[in-house]
Amino acid sequence: NAGVTQTPKFQVLKTGQSMTLQCAQDMNHEYMSWYRQDPGMGLRLIHYSVGAGITDQGEVPNGYNVSRSTTEDFPLRLLSAAPSQTSVYFCASRRGSGTSGGRGTQYFGPGTRLLVL
Amino acid sequence: AQTVTQSQPEMSVQEAETVTLSCTYDTSESDYYLFWYKQPPSRQMILVIRQEAYKQQNATENRFSVNFQKAAKSFSLKISDSQLGDAAMYFCAYRRGYQFYFGTGTSLTVIP
Repeated sequence: NAGVTQTPKFQVLKTGQSMTLQCAQDMNHEYMSWYRQDPGMGLRLIHYSVGAGITDQGEVPNGYNVSRSTTEDFPLRLLSAAPSQTSVYFCASRRGSGTSGGRGTQYFGPGTRLLVL
Repeated sequence: AQTVTQSQPEMSVQEAETVTLSCTYDTSESDYYLFWYKQPPSRQMILVIRQEAYKQQNATENRFSVNFQKAAKSFSLKISDSQLGDAAMYFCAYRRGYQFYFGTGTSLTVIP
């Protein structure tokens, strides 16, 4: 298994540009999520999905869109990038959903470093 | 919103010694999960240990163990026989349902 993969590893954008960060997992996990990591702030949840066709907001959703058309893929879209979105982005997945969120261990991708000028 | 506090931005330990990293959290829930993640310079997030709140027994994984004090909302990580490879950022995290909250991290240096 490749686990959780993310592309690209590094991206530079200009303010106002759009882009999609790709995330895929091959573990048949129901739950997938996106985080951003900023210096001194730990990881913060942006959006998550509990299955194909189901997404919801996390702690810092503004400026980001997600969709989940398949179990494997969970792309994160920046429609109009802003310098405040300069960060390292992590995708994660785990088994289990349901009302309690399941008991599965969360696996993280290697991260995408995004710089918005 | 839930909060997770790591009050030690930096810690250091001599190789082969023991170090304890602190974490406190704020919640009104009784059913939740707690985690410690390690992030080396590669930035990969690696699960170190997890604790389910309904379990009274402290979790242990080889040289890593936790001291879970539910009433005090405290979840510290003890690393025994520290090794050079333990040097990394360590994040404490809380999960309730689908929401995950991380602390700001503790940078651990291991001195040879």
